[in-house]
Amino acid sequence: EVQLVQSGEEVKKPGESLKISCEAFGYTFTNYWIGWVRQMPGKGLEWMGIMFLGDTDLRYSPSFQGQVTISADKSINTAYLQWSSLKASDTAMYYCATARDGTTYFDPWGQGTPVTVSS
Amino acid sequence: QSALTQPASVSGSPGQSITISCTGTSSDVGGFNSVSWYQQHPGKAPKLMIYDVSYRPSGVSNRFSGSKSGNTASLTISGLQTGDEAEYYCNSYTTSSTPNYVFGTGTKVTVL
Repeated sequence: EVQLVQSGEEVKKPGESLKISCEAFGYTFTNYWIGWVRQMPGKGLEWMGIMFLGDTDLRYSPSFQGQVTISADKSINTAYLQWSSLKASDTAMYYCATARDGTTYFDPWGQGTPVTVSS
Repeated sequence: QSALTQPASVSGSPGQSITISCTGTSSDVGGFNSVSWYQQHPGKAPKLMIYDVSYRPSGVSNRFSGSKSGNTASLTISGLQTGDEAEYYCNSYTTSSTPNYVFGTGTKVTVL
């Protein structure tokens, strides 16, 4: 069974750095895309970026370009979403989701990582 | 890239059918058969309900169906049940902007 398991809840202060993870089980990591989605409190879903794990293809939403870094360690089937300097406005739930190469739908999704940034 | 347009809310009584629309442009919904629909219950991760406009993943009830006409895709839920009360989002491949996918604004389905 394909499954994505995300790292746990984070509480940080403005200006701090953060790296959250998304580990994949049950499939060959390199044949898939991984996407990161933000959901701010009470709001809808927003694509942050997607990465093809078979090569270096990495696509950010213009809204998130330069604000976050998406990466992956294929040796441990894990993708990451990273901030160098958090803001209060980064408070949100973050989901990873996967799509097999050649398809355009994302399934399954991780359980979500809640991030709170507050002084 | 602006979000695809969905009605903010749709409601129906148990057993009824409801339809949620998802309107985009020829660069996304209208240009590709790459519309998917996700159900999200409060506090839960989104779940894929329909892919490639009208296909149901294994395990999804056949009460859920999808279609598309021009730049508008639709999700129909027939035989509405209390467990269908959730937020629903459409998603489409797009050539307008990276990362080449765009979500809809989301629709809250209420079972009266």
